[in-house]
Amino acid sequence: GESVGLHLPTLSVQEGDNSIINCAYSNSASDYFIWYKQESGKGPQFIIDIRSNMDKRQGQRVTVLLNKTVKHLSLQIAATQPGDSAVYFCAETGNTGKLIFGQGTTLQVKP
Amino acid sequence: EPEVTQTPSHQVTQMGQEVILRCVPISNHLYFYWYRQILGQKVEFLVSFYNNEISEKSEIFDDQFSVERPDGSNFTLKIRSTKLEDSAMYFCASTRGAEGQPQHFGDGTRLSIL
Repeated sequence: GESVGLHLPTLSVQEGDNSIINCAYSNSASDYFIWYKQESGKGPQFIIDIRSNMDKRQGQRVTVLLNKTVKHLSLQIAATQPGDSAVYFCAETGNTGKLIFGQGTTLQVKP
Repeated sequence: EPEVTQTPSHQVTQMGQEVILRCVPISNHLYFYWYRQILGQKVEFLVSFYNNEISEKSEIFDDQFSVERPDGSNFTLKIRSTKLEDSAMYFCASTRGAEGQPQHFGDGTRLSIL
């Protein structure tokens, strides 16, 4: 069935360290993947996306890696800051447009 | 930067009553979505809407749910007879294209059914 999951419900890192949040997806037909950040009381906020014809994409302080062989997606955050504390969701979509979300990883940044 | 806006931010309703959740998508977007998030759980797809009709709906989106785009700017979700299990955050999202375009979300309406 369709499902997108994250490996760890909570990730705790020291301020300034790099963070890596992982996600496994099951639908090999998905061709577009998005990482969202959700702060308390807010809606999902777009961070970065990647299409299935790519294996890496970089943004400002963030990098998304896609491994289609093992259906794995990761989000790397460089020099993690307290403002990065939030719940991070990966989401996949195919040709229907609907997003299928994973369970979410809570990132806690310790000062 | 344009954003999706949702009203109200919090709606408290008696079980069995009708509720209408409102959304104003980003103005040049063509595809519209509703999702819900039960407390502590992941975001779940409800329905997608394009060209004034439903494109796809999930099993959650039963006969009690309906969507409408009454004018050029608003997009609404109606629940006809609310149940306790309808309590959740409801998010509206929009995007310019159906494929390969990120969906942008509003900050949601917290629906509490008593």
